[in-house]
Amino acid sequence: QQPVQSPQAVILREGEDAVINCSSSKALYSVHWYRQKHGEAPVFLMILLKGGEQKGHEKISASFNEKKQQSSLYLTASQLSYSGTYFCGTECEDSNYQLIWGAGTKLIIKP
Amino acid sequence: GAVVSQHPSRVICKSGTSVKIECRSLDFQATTMFWYRQFPKQSLMLMATSNEGSKATYEQGVEKDKFLINHASLTLSTLTVTSAHPEDSSFYICSAGFGLGAFFGQGTRLTVV
Repeated sequence: QQPVQSPQAVILREGEDAVINCSSSKALYSVHWYRQKHGEAPVFLMILLKGGEQKGHEKISASFNEKKQQSSLYLTASQLSYSGTYFCGTECEDSNYQLIWGAGTKLIIKP
Repeated sequence: GAVVSQHPSRVICKSGTSVKIECRSLDFQATTMFWYRQFPKQSLMLMATSNEGSKATYEQGVEKDKFLINHASLTLSTLTVTSAHPEDSSFYICSAGFGLGAFFGQGTRLTVV
């Protein structure tokens, strides 16, 4: 079942923060976050594993709440280069890397 | 990091012809690769799972005779769109799993005229 991403879209000014959520009704092994720019393939951002962890990469970080089967992606002090569509991909136990994708969250950063 | 190379990145073909898209894992062996299709403003849609040395597993609604998948080696999977029609125009992306994470090819923009 497709994970639910929210919001569908968000418009920010450069330097503002954003949170993108991804929730699943199934027990998850991992959550993957990707960013896709128009006309390009998705680019891997990070993966979070069962066990409830938080990861960070520069000003982009994410958390995974195993009990709630939810993950959140945090973008702080957003830059113009952060614009794109963010997808979460969820992986269940023994799925052999097969991901089920959320519908995506479009992020527009304005100067 | 792990690299998946997809070729071609863009192809325009005439209706009725076939198009082959290649997906290579450059620095790791991939027993399983995935083929996705993406329509404008939509999420990735899994078409099929490509298994090295065996038949691909197709998702419901995907015509296996139209979208031929061959995974002849641990580093190469191909998707052939046979007798392409304008409605097959789309963005096709492959991915391969390695350790923790899935890595994507660059994608192929197919336009059928």
